[in-house]
Amino acid sequence: GQNIDQPTEMTATEGAIVQINCTYQTSGFNGLFWYQQHAGEAPTFLSYNVLDGLEEKGRFSSFLSRSKGYSYLLLKELQMKDSASYLCAPVDSNYQLIWGAGTKLIIKP
Amino acid sequence: EPEVTQTPSHQVTQMGQEVILRCVPISNHLYFYWYRQILGQKVEFLVSFYNNEISEKSEIFDDQFSVERPDGSNFTLKIRSTKLEDSAMYFCASSQQETQYFGPGTRLLVL
Repeated sequence: GQNIDQPTEMTATEGAIVQINCTYQTSGFNGLFWYQQHAGEAPTFLSYNVLDGLEEKGRFSSFLSRSKGYSYLLLKELQMKDSASYLCAPVDSNYQLIWGAGTKLIIKP
Repeated sequence: EPEVTQTPSHQVTQMGQEVILRCVPISNHLYFYWYRQILGQKVEFLVSFYNNEISEKSEIFDDQFSVERPDGSNFTLKIRSTKLEDSAMYFCASSQQETQYFGPGTRLLVL
């Protein structure tokens, strides 16, 4: 079967760094997306990893290890507006995004 | 920056009624999707559409659902006879290649 595993909730302090881990099992693999979703809003694209390694984009970085079925999203210099759910979504052999429940990140002052 | 738009933003309907949710994908995108998200739950794939036909659909997308691209810009999701459990946020997305960009969603409430 297909499975996504992320922590349900994480708390971090404004200005700090947080790493959100994701492990996955999919039938086939065609990359992995990270999306941010504020409550009541649509998911917004953050990153897409196809190859192993770290992709950096401003304050956000995403890492992928295909052999381990593992990815993480790293958020630096946290701001209050980063409080949101972060969705790990690998792409299966049919090029469908497989959605997990997401990690709710709470930022405290 | 181009974006996906959806109308209406909110829709309230009676059980058994038909609803049509509308989406305008980003203009040069070729792939279109519908997802739903029940409050507090994860995003669920409904259907993908390419070259004027359905390319993939999930188990949720049963005979009560249909999609159409009636003209060059709109992409619609029709629910023929709504059920209480159809209450959810419905997101349209479009992509040119891999990355899907989501519309703001339509919040559907079935009473």
